Amino acid sequence: DQQVKQNSPSLSVQEGRISILNCDYTNSMFDYFLWYKKYPAEGPTFLISISSIKDKNEDGRFTVFLNKSAKHLSLHIVPSQPGDSAVYFCAARSPFGNEKLTFGTGTRLTIIP
Amino acid sequence: GAVVSQHPSRVICKSGTSVKIECRSLDFQATTMFWYRQFPKKSLMLMATSNEGSKATYEQGVEKDKFLINHASLTLSTLTVTSAHPEDSSFYICSAREDRHRNEKLFFGSGTQLSVL
Repeated sequence: DQQVKQNSPSLSVQEGRISILNCDYTNSMFDYFLWYKKYPAEGPTFLISISSIKDKNEDGRFTVFLNKSAKHLSLHIVPSQPGDSAVYFCAARSPFGNEKLTFGTGTRLTIIP
Repeated sequence: GAVVSQHPSRVICKSGTSVKIECRSLDFQATTMFWYRQFPKKSLMLMATSNEGSKATYEQGVEKDKFLINHASLTLSTLTVTSAHPEDSSFYICSAREDRHRNEKLFFGSGTQLSVL
């Protein structure tokens, strides 16, 4: 049972344009959401997060939007740069137990120069 | 930023042998480390949570006698795949948490690709 879904395995965007990566979840108890970025042969690194009590969080070129009623979050990158080419994972945190993270399957973003 | 070192990055072994994977936090103390497994085109699946000085907590469906986890110090956790079989072939990755309540302070190793022949 995939509780966090990233339905687009890949996405290509022209440099300078906006990249929008989507993530859907099914568990309404998730209280915190994170985006991680992963380059080949490296582990994921934290990018941006959002609490379930907010609907938007912005950090430079990166903005995460949360729609709790739709159980949907998105990551916007604008303007997109070649260095943004990577695999992006969304993750959701459970408030119970050890606060473990549940990850999506990832979206491979390719920025076209 | 903080660094988590994971070794080896790739291992090929014969069926029936055991393989040990190390995860070290290089510049911080990690009271909690997590072990994940990822199959191709699938998400990172949490296998177990490792707390320093205590027994690991395994997720449902993960065999604790198959995947031995030891967290002997605040900077080192090991995952041993015992009597490995081809179905254990997968990508294993660890992460270490620096701060108990802040998941963004979760740092990942670079992963280990295990291939069992």
